[in-house]
Amino acid sequence: QKEVEQNSGPLSVPEGAIASLNCTYSDRGSQSFFWYRQYSGKSPELIMSIYSNGDKEDGRFTAQLNKASQYVSLLIRDSQPSDSATYLCAVNLSGGSYIPTFGRGTSLIVHP
Amino acid sequence: EPEVTQTPSHQVTQMGQEVILRCVPISNHLYFYWYRQILGQKVEFLVSFYNNEISEKSEIFDDQFSVERPDGSNFTLKIRSTKLEDSAMYFCASSPGPAAGYTFGSGTRLTVV
Repeated sequence: QKEVEQNSGPLSVPEGAIASLNCTYSDRGSQSFFWYRQYSGKSPELIMSIYSNGDKEDGRFTAQLNKASQYVSLLIRDSQPSDSATYLCAVNLSGGSYIPTFGRGTSLIVHP
Repeated sequence: EPEVTQTPSHQVTQMGQEVILRCVPISNHLYFYWYRQILGQKVEFLVSFYNNEISEKSEIFDDQFSVERPDGSNFTLKIRSTKLEDSAMYFCASSPGPAAGYTFGSGTRLTVV
């Protein structure tokens, strides 16, 4: 069965540190990869999309994709308490569909 | 910033009743979606809609569910005869292209009693 796996956490980091969130996926043919942030009781919010191997940076966020190893990660630099949320990895599992499958999410806690 | 609007924010309904959840996608987006999230669980795909027809649907989206775009702006999800297990947060989303990231609405919390 095609899956997107994330450690549920919580991942606890001090304010100002780098938070590293990881996601693995089962389908070698996957082409599109997304990170969403979801605050408790709120809807997912798109942070990053990445489509090719390597790093993609946007402000304090960096997405890293390694298709050979089938993982995608999200680094958050200079973590702030406002970054405390659940981070959802979503991967388009191939087979002719563009619909991404969401992982269960990793809970991040940034403590002052 | 453009946003996806969903109404109502919370709906309580009796088991067996019909509910209609409403969404206004971002105006220049062409692809529309409904997802649901049962409390504490994953975000699950229900259906995608493009060019006024369903393009994909999941196993969850059975005959009790239907979608419609009744005019140029609204996108609705109807559940014909609600069950207790339909209680969840329902999210509408839209995107400019099939492989682009989604913009989600704020959700409708459906409670079936």
